[in-house]
Amino acid sequence: TQLLEQSPQFLSIQEGENLTVYCNSSSVFSSLQWYRQEPGEGPVLLVTVVTGGEVKKLKRLTFQFGDARKDSSLHITAAQTGDTGLYLCAGAYVGSARQLTFGSGTQLTVLP
Amino acid sequence: EAGVTQSPTHLIKTRGQQVTLRCSPISGHTSVYWYQQALGLGLQFLLWYDEGEERNRGNFPPRFSGRQFPNYSSELNVNALELEDSALYLCASSLSQGRYQETQYFGPGTRLLVL
Repeated sequence: TQLLEQSPQFLSIQEGENLTVYCNSSSVFSSLQWYRQEPGEGPVLLVTVVTGGEVKKLKRLTFQFGDARKDSSLHITAAQTGDTGLYLCAGAYVGSARQLTFGSGTQLTVLP
Repeated sequence: EAGVTQSPTHLIKTRGQQVTLRCSPISGHTSVYWYQQALGLGLQFLLWYDEGEERNRGNFPPRFSGRQFPNYSSELNVNALELEDSALYLCASSLSQGRYQETQYFGPGTRLLVL
């Protein structure tokens, strides 16, 4: 069974602080995606990373894919209350026939 | 361009009943995925349909089933509902090009409550 561990599970910070969310596996990903989900809605894709060592930036969000393609991180700079939500990583493992495995998610709360 | 749509948005059923959830993928997408998200938990993979055929299923009992129609829309059927089936059921669609993972785009989900 391929497991995708996401940490931390819960994070509560003040507006303006920085934070990092981690996504780790013992298996190699062919690609990895980060989503944000608001209560009662479906996840919305933030970014897809496919190349080991790749760094992608989306405004104040920075996504990094590990060199070995087994891990990824999401860093948010100067968090805002609008960043509150459930952040999910999802990986497609090499040889998994185009199927995503989701992490358990990080519930982020940004306080004013 | 319209996104993934799901119906109904909310549903209340009682134990033992049957339910059918519907999903329309993004135009041009031929793969449809179903996930279950119980409260406070991550997404659990249920089923994957591509080009009208079931390609894979997750670790769920046979009372969870579905199908994909020629227009690539899909239905998820759950028979003999149990209380623990209460969850948000999410549908996602993707292109089907080659054997590598394509980005999945999610619908808003159907919230099922089993009493």
